[in-house]
Amino acid sequence: EPEVTQTPSHQVTQMGQEVILRCVPISNHLYFYWYRQILGQKVEFLVSFYNNEISEKSEIFDDQFSVERPDGSNFTLKIRSTKLEDSAMYFCASSEFAGGPTGELFFGEGSRLTVL
Amino acid sequence: RKEVEQDPGPFNVPEGATVAFNCTYSNSASQSFFWYRQDCRKEPKLLMSVYSSGNEDGRFTAQLNRASQYISLLIRDSKLSDSATYLCVVFDSNYQLIWGAGTKLIIKP
Repeated sequence: EPEVTQTPSHQVTQMGQEVILRCVPISNHLYFYWYRQILGQKVEFLVSFYNNEISEKSEIFDDQFSVERPDGSNFTLKIRSTKLEDSAMYFCASSEFAGGPTGELFFGEGSRLTVL
Repeated sequence: RKEVEQDPGPFNVPEGATVAFNCTYSNSASQSFFWYRQDCRKEPKLLMSVYSSGNEDGRFTAQLNRASQYISLLIRDSKLSDSATYLCVVFDSNYQLIWGAGTKLIIKP
């Protein structure tokens, strides 16, 4: 069964360092998403991406964040200068449609980011 | 007012019992509704979509009440493996998926 894969599964970094989280969405999917979940809290939308550009982003997704699809398969989230409060599980997701009638997002297993 | 609201629980339920929880949404123009399940420290996975006429999948029944703007999930004959957090997700008129904070369910032997 096709799946979304994410790397690394866990990254520990120092405050102020740049971090890149990588995702390989399901190959025939067209819509890509990043979500984050701080431990014990709700799933929070960060950004959606379609046709090589950002389609929606949340208030969380400020200038410290960027996304890229550099080679047609990988979908990356970059945090330029990490802060303690960026510590969270980051989930990549993809969908065949724009979350419409089927609504099924396929999530990767997540990348846990710990900022010290 | 929160856009999608759920009772965080936890709901502590004995194995074999029936449990139900609701989710309310604020945007009356919302188009589609879903229940996702999230196990501890795992990714969310789609449990079921919620159709206007209500739908059933095995022990799980989902209902939509547009007039009162809520959806519900009923689990019959609950099993230990049903222990998880159940996330209500609403696809609103702005083409965004709005996530509830989840309801934690603990099934006890």
